[in-house]
Amino acid sequence: DAKTTQPNSMESNEEEPVHLPCNHSTISGTDYIHWYRQLPSQGPEYVIHGLTSNVNNRMASLAIAEDRKSSTLILHRATLRDAAVYYCILRGMNTGNQFYFGTGTSLTVIP
Amino acid sequence: EAQVTQNPRYLITVTGKKLTVTCSQNMNHEYMSWYRQDPGLGLRQIYYSMNVEVTDKGDVPEGYKVSRKEKRNFPLILESPSPNQTSLYFCASSLDTPRSPLHFGNGTRLTVT
Repeated sequence: DAKTTQPNSMESNEEEPVHLPCNHSTISGTDYIHWYRQLPSQGPEYVIHGLTSNVNNRMASLAIAEDRKSSTLILHRATLRDAAVYYCILRGMNTGNQFYFGTGTSLTVIP
Repeated sequence: EAQVTQNPRYLITVTGKKLTVTCSQNMNHEYMSWYRQDPGLGLRQIYYSMNVEVTDKGDVPEGYKVSRKEKRNFPLILESPSPNQTSLYFCASSLDTPRSPLHFGNGTRLTVT
């Protein structure tokens, strides 16, 4: 079962970097790591994905461990608008199309 | 604009009265799926579809039906709703590749009394 494990909640001060961890010890070689976030009263939205190398986009950075059993979503400067629930999921040939979102990490940003 | 559209946004109904929640996407995506979200349980997959006329059960399919007669539409059908199906429902779609992100609708809040 391609499940991921994330802390239930985290806090960050505004304008400081945030590192959101995700463990995926059962990841297979073809699984991509996807991150999504869900703002209050909205559907989840895509943030970033990666396979082996670290990735950057306008929203965040994704750091993937060398053994790929864990990854970290990095928000470089947290803003109040980043307060959301963040999910990491695996998507690949072995996961088929059943994705385990779990309960994610609820990020609180403190002004 | 590329989007996944769910209707209705809010629905209150009574036990046993059949209902359908519609989901439509305009991105020519092969993959579509339905999730329910409940406090403390996160997002759980109900059904998914890889393409027209191809559907499969997710983690919590009991009490739900789906159909995929057209590529753009993937309705969720509750033949006989019960109070334990009160939840927030999300539809999602994507291309059928591991790199492709999921696009979610804005949700349907269903209350069954």
